[in-house]
Amino acid sequence: GAGVSQSPRYKVAKRGQDVALRCDPISGHVSLFWYQQALGQGPEFLTYFQNEAQLDKSGLPSDRFFAERPEGSVSTLKIQRTQQEDSAVYLCASSPRGLAIEQFFGPGTRLTVL
Amino acid sequence: GQNIDQPTEMTATEGAIVQINCTYQTSGFNGLFWYQQHAGEAPTFLSYNVLDGLEEKGRFSSFLSRSKGYSYLLLKELQMKDSASYLCAVRNQAGTALIFGKGTTLSVSS
Repeated sequence: GAGVSQSPRYKVAKRGQDVALRCDPISGHVSLFWYQQALGQGPEFLTYFQNEAQLDKSGLPSDRFFAERPEGSVSTLKIQRTQQEDSAVYLCASSPRGLAIEQFFGPGTRLTVL
Repeated sequence: GQNIDQPTEMTATEGAIVQINCTYQTSGFNGLFWYQQHAGEAPTFLSYNVLDGLEEKGRFSSFLSRSKGYSYLLLKELQMKDSASYLCAVRNQAGTALIFGKGTTLSVSS
């Protein structure tokens, strides 16, 4: 497939558990973005990578959220000690370069914290 | 601060024209974007404006006035498949993030 893929597509966690969400961007895309989308809302920016460098993490809501992209391709968003307010769809997007016009979004991971 | 406003819901009939407005107040500006999102799916890119004026792309057009902090998305010859959420977004000055509005849910009926 040529698009952005994310796994798992659905994740149910008990409050207090740690979760890891994976994003496979389009091959060769330099830029990678994570967004959080609550039900009925627009996506909210979490963090941005250019290759392996995390250049903007201003949107991460707390220090329980951590993202990495060690080799400049696949990225993982980790949430520690999940809480009910973390329930949302987590979207990953990639683009060919930093100021490219279009961001290509993946299908998202729907996280439900019980 | 960052504030992007758009109507929550709109309805229209097949074949009609609809205009979805967006106003923004952001600390920086590096382009305005419109995305379409069908329920349960990923957002897909529709249009981009960085200079004032109208950009036309098939049935969809987008307008920007930077001095007024205002944009609209115009959809012509509406089809049932256009029923979706339309998201207005502003890119921050550094180009590292899109700041999205809450989206406008458009329902097209026959």
